[in-house]
Amino acid sequence: DAGVIQSPRHEVTEMGQEVTLRCKPISGHDYLFWYRQTMMRGLELLIYFNNNVPIDDSGMPEDRFSAKMPNASFSTLKIQPSEPRDSAVYFCASSRTGNTEAFFGQGTRLTVV
Amino acid sequence: GDSVTQMEGPVTLSEEAFLTINCTYTATGYPSLFWYVQYPGEGLQLLLKATKADDKGSNKGFEATYRKETTSFHLEKGSVQVSDSAVYFCALSNQFYFGTGTSLTVIP
Repeated sequence: DAGVIQSPRHEVTEMGQEVTLRCKPISGHDYLFWYRQTMMRGLELLIYFNNNVPIDDSGMPEDRFSAKMPNASFSTLKIQPSEPRDSAVYFCASSRTGNTEAFFGQGTRLTVV
Repeated sequence: GDSVTQMEGPVTLSEEAFLTINCTYTATGYPSLFWYVQYPGEGLQLLLKATKADDKGSNKGFEATYRKETTSFHLEKGSVQVSDSAVYFCALSNQFYFGTGTSLTVIP
């Protein structure tokens, strides 16, 4: 398996633009997680899905953030409109069950100018 | 609620020194415990895990023992190398709870 695949690896956008981050989890994994990592706040869980259903989105910073998982092999995290404070590395991870290790993608480094 | 408390960093050690990074947790039930490592510019990788009390996880010379009585899962290595320089995260199943990360720098 190729592991968790995220795209793009780097994204630079202007404030106010819409940004969409993409994730392909490992086949057969029932859980998918989105995290944000910054120097100030460390690694924060934004939202997680179980069998494509969002279970907990309490970590989503505000209404500008939304996430979807239309099928078992694809998820998106959208920011609209983007702001400079959204600049961070966004990680997607998947795990087979809720009690097994998570496998992380390489991350998307987002810069909002 | 469930949580993980991890030793603050950064930590700087000389090569071949002994390493301990503390991690304690609060959880209901019987979670699995994990240590992840993040090398510069990369995602997190699983370093080791333990699924029940008294289990010892080990990998690449690193070890951690699941201590239910002290609710701890401290990471240890007897002799660190420059290549161990990275950020280390303690995590609690169901993967939702990560520690703040401890940055380790090993100098020759």
